[in-house]
Amino acid sequence: AQSVTQPDIHITVSEGASLELRCNYSYGATPYLFWYVQSPGQGLQLLLKYFSGDTLVQGIKGFEAEFKRSQSSFNLRKPSVHWSDAAEYFCAVGAQTGTGNQFYFGTGTSLTVIP
Amino acid sequence: DTAVSQTPKYLVTQMGNDKSIKCEQNLGHDTMYWYKQDSKKFLKIMFSYNNKELIINETVPNRFSPKSPDKAHLNLHINSLELGDSAVYFCASSRRGGRNEQFFGPGTRLTVL
Repeated sequence: AQSVTQPDIHITVSEGASLELRCNYSYGATPYLFWYVQSPGQGLQLLLKYFSGDTLVQGIKGFEAEFKRSQSSFNLRKPSVHWSDAAEYFCAVGAQTGTGNQFYFGTGTSLTVIP
Repeated sequence: DTAVSQTPKYLVTQMGNDKSIKCEQNLGHDTMYWYKQDSKKFLKIMFSYNNKELIINETVPNRFSPKSPDKAHLNLHINSLELGDSAVYFCASSRRGGRNEQFFGPGTRLTVL
């Protein structure tokens, strides 16, 4: 069965420090992978996605993610975190089935940024 | 222009009442979804509609019923509200195909007293 695991429930980093949020997935075929960000009181916004090609994908707000098939991972990274990056981050897997689109979200990682 | 909009943004009501949440998308997408986000931020998909047909119906109580008058709208109707229904409900839309990302509405915070 398809699933997405985000092992870190909460992460705290200092402003200016680097960031890596982990995501592992379980899916039988080539996955379509997404990272979303949810700022407090807001809906989810797409940061980046991967479905083929270069395994290192660039997204908005200076984020990038690397697809590693051997590790079933799609970790999100940012070299220097800004205070405005404090939010909830969700990894997701998309699939096309006979009955339509299905998306599987991880449980989210809450990011706190300290000055 | 707002891509996916929901109304109302906040909804406070008593147990036992019936309420609806409206969702509209102006992206021309053919698939729409409803998610429930609990207090721990866990996202649970409730329904999705493709061309006015229900294609996913997760194990949610039948008190919840999605209604889609046309491709651009997917409303959520809830009967006999219970305390446990308190959550944030998100509407989303996407093009058909697993590689296409979902676009989310701003959410509706439902509080049942």
